[in-house]
Amino acid sequence: NAGVTQTPKFQVLKTGQSMTLQCAQDMNHNSMYWYRQDPGMGLRLIYYSASEGTTDKGEVPNGYNVSRLNKREFSLRLESAAPSQTSVYFCASDRNTEAFFGQGTRLTVV
Amino acid sequence: AQSVTQPDIHITVSEGASLELRCNYSYGATPYLFWYVQSPGQGLQLLLKYFSGDTLVQGIKGFEAEFKRSQSSFNLRKPSVHWSDAAEYFCAVGLPQGGNQFYFGTGTSLTVIP
Repeated sequence: NAGVTQTPKFQVLKTGQSMTLQCAQDMNHNSMYWYRQDPGMGLRLIYYSASEGTTDKGEVPNGYNVSRLNKREFSLRLESAAPSQTSVYFCASDRNTEAFFGQGTRLTVV
Repeated sequence: AQSVTQPDIHITVSEGASLELRCNYSYGATPYLFWYVQSPGQGLQLLLKYFSGDTLVQGIKGFEAEFKRSQSSFNLRKPSVHWSDAAEYFCAVGLPQGGNQFYFGTGTSLTVIP
C-alpha cells in the first residue's frame, strides 16, 4: 500500500527557476491537497482539488499553479521560484474527511 | 474566518507523566476535529478524529481527546507518556464544504525527558 507518494523528496532551486512537484495516490480518493509547512506556522493550504478536473485556491496560492491530471495525480508548479517559497510541501488526499499525507518535499530556493 | 489555535508552542514532560495538549477552534458550527502527529522528517499521521456523538474520542498509541462545545476545545491527552511520543502534534479542523478543506494549528512540539 503506497498511499500518497511525492517526488522529489528534496530539491534546491535558484531564484527564478521553475519546477513541478509530483503527487500520486493509489487510494481512489476524490479530493487532493497541497500544503506548505513553515516553522511556527503549521500547515497552510495552497490549492485543493475536490475531484478530477477541478481545482481551487486555498489560503496561500500566490506563486503556484496546480494540475489535477487524473484521479490519481495532482501536481504543484512553481513557475518562477522565490526564496519565500523555501518550505516543506505536503500532498494529501482524503477519504470521508480523513486526510492521508505524503512524506513531504523539502524545497530550498537560493 | 475559521482558525485553529494551539497555545503551547513547546511542551516538555517526563517519561511516564501525563500529557495534555490544548487546541481551540473558531468556527460557526461544529467542524470535524482531528489530531495529527508528525515525527521528524515524516509526514503527518492521524491520531484520532471527532465527527459527532461521544465527546471523548479514543485514538491510536494510547491517546484520547475530548470535545467541549462550550469551550470550542478539543484537547489531546495521554495518561503516561513514552519517549517515542516525542514529536510535533497538530490539531486540525475539517470543513465539509466542496472538498473538505482542512485547517491546521501551528503545532505543539513535545519533548520527553527520561
